[in-house]
Amino acid sequence: DAGVIQSPRHEVTEMGQEVTLRCKPISGHNSLFWYRQTMMRGLELLIYFNNNVPIDDSGMPEDRFSAKMPNASFSTLKIQPSEPRDSAVYFCASTLKGLLLDTQYFGPGTRLTVL
Amino acid sequence: AQSVTQLGSHVSVSEGALVLLRCNYSSSVPPYLFWYVQYPNQGLQLLLKYTSAATLVKGINGFEAEFKKSETSFHLTKPSAHMSDAAEYFCAVSEGGYSTLTFGKGTMLLVSP
Repeated sequence: DAGVIQSPRHEVTEMGQEVTLRCKPISGHNSLFWYRQTMMRGLELLIYFNNNVPIDDSGMPEDRFSAKMPNASFSTLKIQPSEPRDSAVYFCASTLKGLLLDTQYFGPGTRLTVL
Repeated sequence: AQSVTQLGSHVSVSEGALVLLRCNYSSSVPPYLFWYVQYPNQGLQLLLKYTSAATLVKGINGFEAEFKKSETSFHLTKPSAHMSDAAEYFCAVSEGGYSTLTFGKGTMLLVSP
């Protein structure tokens, strides 16, 4: 299996620009999670989906952030407009059964730098 | 609310020495506890998890952790460190298994020859 795939691996953009991060979960997995990792705040859950439906988006920092999962094999996290404080590594993870105790399989992450 | 505290942002050991990474949790209901490892430029991988069965949990790569309710701890150990164990380790908690994971800040393990 290819594992969780994220693109791009690195993104450098200027403040005010729109950024779209992409994730392809492992085939057959029912839940998908978006995390943000920074030195100051560690690893934070932004949002998670179960069967393509957003279940908990309480971690989304503000309206500039939005996430979609149009089908079982694709999700996007969009930041518009981006700000320097959004610089972080963004991870996508998926689980098989959709249970919160399932093992989460993480992608390699997207390193976002906003200048 | 659930929370995790990992004592020590960096731990240094010599190859062959005991590895001990500390994790204390806070949970209003019986917790489910996890250790994940992150190698450079990679995502997290599950090492082991405690889900209310045996209190001593064995994981991959020779790691194990013991759940101690009285101490609200879930420390990670390995008898003999290898160079390949150098990575960042994260402890995580889920309250009763019904909440999403809350991760600690991580502990970087450095292994010297």
